[in-house]
Amino acid sequence: DQQVKQNSPSLSVQEGRISILNCDYTNSMFDYFLWYKKYPAEGPTFLISISSIKDKNEDGRFTVFLNKSAKHLSLHIVPSQPGDSAVYFCAASADYGGSQGNLIFGKGTKLSVKP
Amino acid sequence: EPEVTQTPSHQVTQMGQEVILRCVPISNHLYFYWYRQILGQKVEFLVSFYNNEISEKSEIFDDQFSVERPDGSNFTLKIRSTKLEDSAMYFCASSLNFRTNYGYTFGSGTRLTVV
Repeated sequence: DQQVKQNSPSLSVQEGRISILNCDYTNSMFDYFLWYKKYPAEGPTFLISISSIKDKNEDGRFTVFLNKSAKHLSLHIVPSQPGDSAVYFCAASADYGGSQGNLIFGKGTKLSVKP
Repeated sequence: EPEVTQTPSHQVTQMGQEVILRCVPISNHLYFYWYRQILGQKVEFLVSFYNNEISEKSEIFDDQFSVERPDGSNFTLKIRSTKLEDSAMYFCASSLNFRTNYGYTFGSGTRLTVV
């Protein structure tokens, strides 16, 4: 039961262009969404989050968009840099009975930014 | 910058043996978590721990698993009798608040190989 889906296992982008990573979810109880970046042999690193009361959150080169009606969120990286090459995980959590906010992760999208 | 430390980085054990994975969370954090990632699959929630007790656990976290915070600084995950399918990367994480805007801080992980 994949509650959080990242349908693109990989994405290749030219340096300086925009990277758009997509994520879909099925559980309407999710009210908090996060993006993590992961390099090989390291743990996930928090990038940016968004609450369900918002539809956009921006932090430097990273912007997350949330479309609740479509149960879809996306991460935009502009401009993309070679150092952004990593696996990006979408994660979601819900605050309802029995759930303490644990994260449900997607399978990840491997981003390659080519110089 | 404060970080979550995990030891060992790699553990090889024979099937049926007990293993203890160790974590030192960030010192002022109150919530602690274990996640795992089987090779090629998504990061999965195992257990959350708050106020010296388990607050939530997943179906994966069966009677073979236990967690402990023995001395106020370490946070351990014990697997009593390891199985081949326990081979995975195990990540410890901690957070100051429940539902933090800054996500959880993950450690670099322990790669457990059961042979």
